[in-house]
Amino acid sequence: NAGVTQTPKFRVLKTGQSMTLLCAQDMNHEYMYWYRQDPGMGLRLIHYSVGEGTTAKGEVPDGYNVSRLKKQNFLLGLESAAPSQTSVYFCASGRPTGVTEAFFGQGTRLTVV
Amino acid sequence: AQSVAQPEDQVNVAEGNPLTVKCTYSVSGNPYLFWYVQYPNRGLQFLLKYITGDNLVKGSYGFEAEFNKSQTSFHLKKPSALVSDSALYFCAVRDQDYKLSFGAGTTVTVRA
Repeated sequence: NAGVTQTPKFRVLKTGQSMTLLCAQDMNHEYMYWYRQDPGMGLRLIHYSVGEGTTAKGEVPDGYNVSRLKKQNFLLGLESAAPSQTSVYFCASGRPTGVTEAFFGQGTRLTVV
Repeated sequence: AQSVAQPEDQVNVAEGNPLTVKCTYSVSGNPYLFWYVQYPNRGLQFLLKYITGDNLVKGSYGFEAEFNKSQTSFHLKKPSALVSDSALYFCAVRDQDYKLSFGAGTTVTVRA
């Protein structure tokens, strides 16, 4: 079982470059999340989606955009990367029926120089 | 707005001793509470959750958590800690709109 897969696992960007992080889940989950993890800050929610075609802002959405064109994929975009976006990014997914835990990907380590 | 607080950055215990990791929360409506663990260079792994019912919830690897509505707390406990329990622990709360928020995390070190 693949679960939640994040692509790429590592990336180095120059300031001002753009990139897209891909999150794919094969569990037919309705809702998906993007977080960033920084030392001492825990996980901070960037954006989330409660279903295909819908997205919502989390705690730290500035500088990021997202899209959920297909139920299984949740894309996180950085239009113009900044050093402050150096972080480890995690994607998670879950289903709304009942109250179930979220399943996490292995993370993407992004460095902006 | 919902929030989660983990008041201790670090918890250090000796192997075999009880382990407690503290968590308090704030959320509108009924709280859905979770504990996750993260090992170095890994994603988060689910430990246990509170939805409703018994205030004492049992989870994976011998962990349990006690829900206290009046104190808005959800502390993680293990009666006898192992060296292999050394990791980063996160408490999380989910609201009615599926927004899932995490605390800053607590690093647990269990010494042999």
